[in-house]
Amino acid sequence: EDKVVQSPLSLVVHEGDTVTLNCSYEVTNFRSLLWYKQEKKAPTFLFMLTSSGIEKKSGRLSSILDKKELSSILNITATQTGDSAIYLCAVVSMDSSYKLIFGSGTRLLVRP
Amino acid sequence: DADVTQTPRNRITKTGKRIMLECSQTKGHDRMYWYRQDPGLGLRLIYYSFDVKDINKGEISDGYSVSRQAQAKFSLSLESAIPNQTALYFCATSGPLGEAGGPGSQETQYFGPGTRLLVL
Repeated sequence: EDKVVQSPLSLVVHEGDTVTLNCSYEVTNFRSLLWYKQEKKAPTFLFMLTSSGIEKKSGRLSSILDKKELSSILNITATQTGDSAIYLCAVVSMDSSYKLIFGSGTRLLVRP
Repeated sequence: DADVTQTPRNRITKTGKRIMLECSQTKGHDRMYWYRQDPGLGLRLIYYSFDVKDINKGEISDGYSVSRQAQAKFSLSLESAIPNQTALYFCATSGPLGEAGGPGSQETQYFGPGTRLLVL
């Protein structure tokens, strides 16, 4: 059964800290891994990763995929209170008609 | 205006009632999805549709049905609501097959604002 596991489940940091969120997966015929940020309601797309070792970056956020370790990390540097959210990782298998399989998310709280 | 809209945004209903949640999109996407989100369980797929004539069950379709009235509209029904269907429901869309990672990629799903449903 395809599975996506995120860690930690929750995290509390102070503004300015750097955080690393983890996502590991077990899927047949991996196609891609996606990161979403969910604040008050709808998840919003952050990154999609398909190739190992290539970092994707957007401002203070970056992410990288390790296909050998079946995992990905999402880094946030110089955190701000606006980074407080649930971060969701999802994986797409080529066997599953491109459906997303979500992890349970990491809840990040950034304190001032 | 939002690209993916859901109505209602909040709903309280009683056990045994039939209710419908609606989703509309202006993105021109063929693919539409319904998810539910429960605390600690992430997002779970209920149904998905790759075009108007294509409807597929997701991992937790029991107790739900859907209707794809048009390319832009995808409705989710609870035939006889029960308390464990209390959850946050999201509709999402995705576009045609494109270069992996690109904004038109099938994998990139765009979510509506969600409907918070409480079944008493």
